[in-house]
Amino acid sequence: AQSVTQPDIHITVSEGASLELRCNYSYGATPYLFWYVQSPGQGLQLLLKYFSGDTLVQGIKGFEAEFKRSQSSFNLRKPSVHWSDAAEYFCAVGARGYNKLIFGAGTRLAVHP
Amino acid sequence: NAGVTQTPKFQVLKTGQSMTLQCAQDMNHNSMYWYRQDPGMGLRLIYYSASEGTTDKGEVPNGYNVSRLNKREFSLRLESAAPSQTSVYFCASSVTGELNTEAFFGQGTRLTVV
Repeated sequence: AQSVTQPDIHITVSEGASLELRCNYSYGATPYLFWYVQSPGQGLQLLLKYFSGDTLVQGIKGFEAEFKRSQSSFNLRKPSVHWSDAAEYFCAVGARGYNKLIFGAGTRLAVHP
Repeated sequence: NAGVTQTPKFQVLKTGQSMTLQCAQDMNHNSMYWYRQDPGMGLRLIYYSASEGTTDKGEVPNGYNVSRLNKREFSLRLESAAPSQTSVYFCASSVTGELNTEAFFGQGTRLTVV
């Protein structure tokens, strides 16, 4: 069965520190991979997506993610975190011809000044 | 540009009451979705509509019904609300039914069933 695992429920980092959020997926087909961010009380906003090609993808707000097929991972990174990055982050997987986008449980990021 | 609009934003229901959550998108998207978000469980797909006139069950359809009224609107109905349906509900839409492009989300409806 298709699934997405985000191993870290909560992460706290200091402002200016680097960040990596982990995402592992289980999917039979070639996956389409997404990272979304949800600020408190808001809907979800797409940060970046991977369909094919270059395995390192750039997104908005200075985020990037790397697709590693051998590890079934799609980790999100940012070199220097800002206080405004405090939010909940969701990894999701889909596939061509498959109408369901499967979400992970989310990682809540706190940023200390 | 409104995007995806959900109403209401907040609702409290008594067990057994019914209600309909409304969703409309102005992006001319073919596909629309209803998700529920619960702590520690991420977003789970309730129902989706790949195109006008079609609807399909997602992961957690029990206790819900949907109507794709036209290309713009996709409503979610709770016929007899239960406390287990307390959740935040999100409507989303995308250009194609294959979700190989971005899904746009509404702001959510926070529903409490007492």
